[in-house]
Amino acid sequence: DTAVSQTPKYLVTQMGNDKSIKCEQNLGHDTMYWYKQDSKKFLKIMFSYNNKELIINETVPNRFSPKSPDKAHLNLHINSLELGDSAVYFCASSQRGGLFVDTQYFGPGTRLTVL
Amino acid sequence: GDSVTQMEGPVTLSEEAFLTINCTYTATGYPSLFWYVQYPGEGLQLLLKATKADDKGSNKGFEATYRKETTSFHLEKGSVQVSDSAVYFCALSPSTGANSKLTFGKGITLSVRP
Repeated sequence: DTAVSQTPKYLVTQMGNDKSIKCEQNLGHDTMYWYKQDSKKFLKIMFSYNNKELIINETVPNRFSPKSPDKAHLNLHINSLELGDSAVYFCASSQRGGLFVDTQYFGPGTRLTVL
Repeated sequence: GDSVTQMEGPVTLSEEAFLTINCTYTATGYPSLFWYVQYPGEGLQLLLKATKADDKGSNKGFEATYRKETTSFHLEKGSVQVSDSAVYFCALSPSTGANSKLTFGKGITLSVRP
């Protein structure tokens, strides 16, 4: 009965490859997020979707493309992976987004290592 | 823009010691304030929150009071346990703006030794 799940948990790949990370939430929330956490634990928001609509798109290279097929899923596709993409990527969800930010519920993270 | 500043870490304490982790913020209006905790190998989870000035959030023996006059939201616990070892993040959510988002501090690692 995991609230926010991500797959895979670990991802090791070569530079230049394309990879995807999947996220699903079973909380019935309207809003989902992708965060990147670097090696110093600094957490930065990348994207946010509200009911399948993109509402936050931070300064992220366009090699990163989020996709939300329905409000329970938010996937992250990364093209042409670079060494600097190595990080832990967290998915999160909240009941509301937009004007009000509710408590966010985080997934367990995907540790991406680019060699 | 909005920002959150946390004290530099890491912090190492002995079990049953008193804990204070400082957090100050810069924001317009009256933001909501949060403390999130990240245990080793896990995602973040909400520890406590406060949505208006003078509110006190509390959970698991941790407390933090929203101080508008000092723009602070310091986290305290009277007696830490080894199981409190984790990374602690202070965060704020603005009170205005069409597409609000959480702004996190840099996080601080707490290690509690037996």
